[in-house]
Amino acid sequence: DAGVTQSPTHLIKTRGQQVTLRCSPKSGHDTVSWYQQALGQGPQFIFQYYEEEERQRGNFPDRFSGHQFPNYSSELNVNALLLGDSALYLCASRTMLGRIIGGSDSQETQYFGPGTRLLVL
Amino acid sequence: GDSVTQMEGPVTLSEEAFLTINCTYTATGYPSLFWYVQYPGEGLQLLLKATKADDKGSNKGFEATYRKETTSFHLEKGSVQVSDSAVYFCALSPMGANSKLTFGKGITLSVRP
Repeated sequence: DAGVTQSPTHLIKTRGQQVTLRCSPKSGHDTVSWYQQALGQGPQFIFQYYEEEERQRGNFPDRFSGHQFPNYSSELNVNALLLGDSALYLCASRTMLGRIIGGSDSQETQYFGPGTRLLVL
Repeated sequence: GDSVTQMEGPVTLSEEAFLTINCTYTATGYPSLFWYVQYPGEGLQLLLKATKADDKGSNKGFEATYRKETTSFHLEKGSVQVSDSAVYFCALSPMGANSKLTFGKGITLSVRP
């Protein structure tokens, strides 16, 4: 049973460029969330996708956008990159049904991928 | 808004020492509380969780009790090992279908032989 996978593992971009990060959720999961983890900080929630729509959004500018595909995989896009966008970007997946009905521990838990480390020069 | 406060780090302990990492939170209602661990070069792994007041989460010798009266969820382990060296994050998730996690800043634990 594959866990959450992310690609690429590392990426180097320059200011002003655009980047796309990819995430495949754990098998059986339908909800994907993205987090930004700056060096030495805790992860910050960017947004969450369910049924191919953005359901919640954190305090991030419109330069950050996303997409969810019918197979539940997701992309995070960041436009007009700034130096401050350098961070580890984490994807997490879960089942929305499990959260609503208070299902088994495995259904409620969010599982994180290994992350994509983005460096903006 | 919701927030999580963790004690300042880093923490360095000798093997077999007792560990306590403090965590307090601010949230409306009854959030679920979590401890996540991040080993060097890896993503986050759920260590333990508690979903209601007085619940005790436990895993791998770690324990934390959901204290509503003190809005705390302190992590404890009776005897740490070198392999416990990692960064530990306290987090909360609001009640209901909203599953957004709010994390603390994390604390680095180093255990020396």
